[in-house]
Amino acid sequence: DQQVKQNSPSLSVQEGRISILNCDYTNSMFDYFLWYKKYPAEGPTFLISISSIKDKNEDGRFTVFLNKSAKHLSLHIVPSQPGDSAVYFCAASVTNEKLTFGTGTRLTIIP
Amino acid sequence: GAVVSQHPSRVICKSGTSVKIECRSLDFQATTMFWYRQFPKQSLMLMATSNEGSKATYEQGVEKDKFLINHASLTLSTLTVTSAHPEDSSFYICSARTARYGYTFGSGTRLTVV
Repeated sequence: DQQVKQNSPSLSVQEGRISILNCDYTNSMFDYFLWYKKYPAEGPTFLISISSIKDKNEDGRFTVFLNKSAKHLSLHIVPSQPGDSAVYFCAASVTNEKLTFGTGTRLTIIP
Repeated sequence: GAVVSQHPSRVICKSGTSVKIECRSLDFQATTMFWYRQFPKQSLMLMATSNEGSKATYEQGVEKDKFLINHASLTLSTLTVTSAHPEDSSFYICSARTARYGYTFGSGTRLTVV
C-alpha cells in the first residue's frame, strides 16, 4: 500500500528552465510534507517542507505547493542547475511522526 | 545543525553472519531514531522506530528477531542484521528527529551479503 506516490520515475530538464516534480498521497491524515534530495549511496538531504495549514512555501530556488483537496504536492525548482541532478523524494507524516516516502523521481538537468 | 554519523558506510559479509550498523547523534540527543531500508530504485521503507531505553517498534512485515535494534543511550542506536542472507542486501539508513532541525539522516550503509 503505497500511500505516497511519485508517478514520474525520471525527468529531464534544460538548465535554466523550471523543474516540476509531483507527488500524490492517499492518507488524508498527513499534515506535514517534505522534499528530500538524494545522491547514490548517501542519505537524503532535506530541501523544503510544508505544513498542511499552508498551500505554498518558498525557499530560494525551491517552492513547494500543496493542494489538499487533490492530495497533491509539487516541488518547483527555478532556475534549474546541473547540481540539481539527483533523485528527489517527497515524504509525508502525521503530526511529525514517522515519515512515509514516495518512490522517488530522478531529475537530470541538461546543460 | 544536527549531524547523524552512520558506520560503516559499506560492508560485505558472508551469508549466515551478523552485521552491526551504528548511528550516533553527534551534537544532540536523539530520543527517537528511525531505521529505513532502500532497495535499488525503490523508496525508503521504514523498518522500525527505536526509542531510547525501550523496545523498538517494528513495521509490519519486518522480522524483529532478524533485525535487532538497540537504543541504549541518547546518542547511539544500532541495527544488527542477524544471520544475513543475500536478500538482506540493501541500503540501510537511520534518521533522528529533533524539534529544532527536524529529520536528520545518516549517510547510509550499503550491505552486501555474499
